[in-house]
Amino acid sequence: NAGVTQTPKFRVLKTGQSMTLLCAQDMNHEYMYWYRQDPGMGLRLIHYSVGEGTTAKGEVPDGYNVSRLKKQNFLLGLESAAPSQTSVYFCASSARTAMNSPLHFGNGTRLTVT
Amino acid sequence: AQSVTQLGSHVSVSEGALVLLRCNYSSSVPPYLFWYVQYPNQGLQLLLKYTSAATLVKGINGFEAEFKKSETSFHLTKPSAHMSDAAEYFCAVTIYNQGGKLIFGQGTELSVKP
Repeated sequence: NAGVTQTPKFRVLKTGQSMTLLCAQDMNHEYMYWYRQDPGMGLRLIHYSVGEGTTAKGEVPDGYNVSRLKKQNFLLGLESAAPSQTSVYFCASSARTAMNSPLHFGNGTRLTVT
Repeated sequence: AQSVTQLGSHVSVSEGALVLLRCNYSSSVPPYLFWYVQYPNQGLQLLLKYTSAATLVKGINGFEAEFKKSETSFHLTKPSAHMSDAAEYFCAVTIYNQGGKLIFGQGTELSVKP
C-alpha cells in the first residue's frame, strides 16, 4: 500500500518557469491538501479539496493553482515560479474532515527557484 | 480565525528526562487540537488528537497532552525521552465548520542528548 506519493522529489526551476507537482493517493480518501513548509513558519495550507472536482483556497494560495479531476490525484501548479516559492511542498489526504480523520502525508517535494 | 502558537522553536533534553512541548491556541469556538510528528526527510504523522471528549489525551509512543481551556493550552508531554523521539513536532487546530482545514503551528524541534 503506497499511501500518498508525491512526484517529483526534487526540482530546480528558474524564475518564470512553470511546473506541476503531482500527488497521488491510493486510500480512496475524499479530502486532499497541499502545504508548504518553510523554516520557522511550520506548514501553511496552500489549497485543499473536499472531493473530486472541488478545490478551495487555504492560507497562502497566491501564485498557485490546483486541480482535482480524479479522486486519487491532486495537482499543484506554479504558472510563473518566483524565488519566494522555494520551499518543501507536502501533499496530504484524509478520509473525512481533518477533525475526524488523520492526515496522511507524502514525503515531500523540495523545490528551489533560482 | 483560529491559530496555534508553539513556544520554543528548539527544545533539548537528556535521554530519560521529561519532555514538555508547549502549544497555545486561539479560537472563538471549541477547537479540535492535534499533535503531529515529523521525522527527518519524511511527512508528518498523527501523534494524538483532542476532539472535546477527555481533556487528557494519550497518543502513540508514550506521549500525552492535556487540553486546558482556562489556559488555552494543549501542551505535549512524555515522562521519559528516548533517542528515537528526536524529531520536529507540530501542534495544529481546526474547528468543525472549517471544511477540513488544519492550521499548523511553527513547529518545535526536539533534540535528545545521550
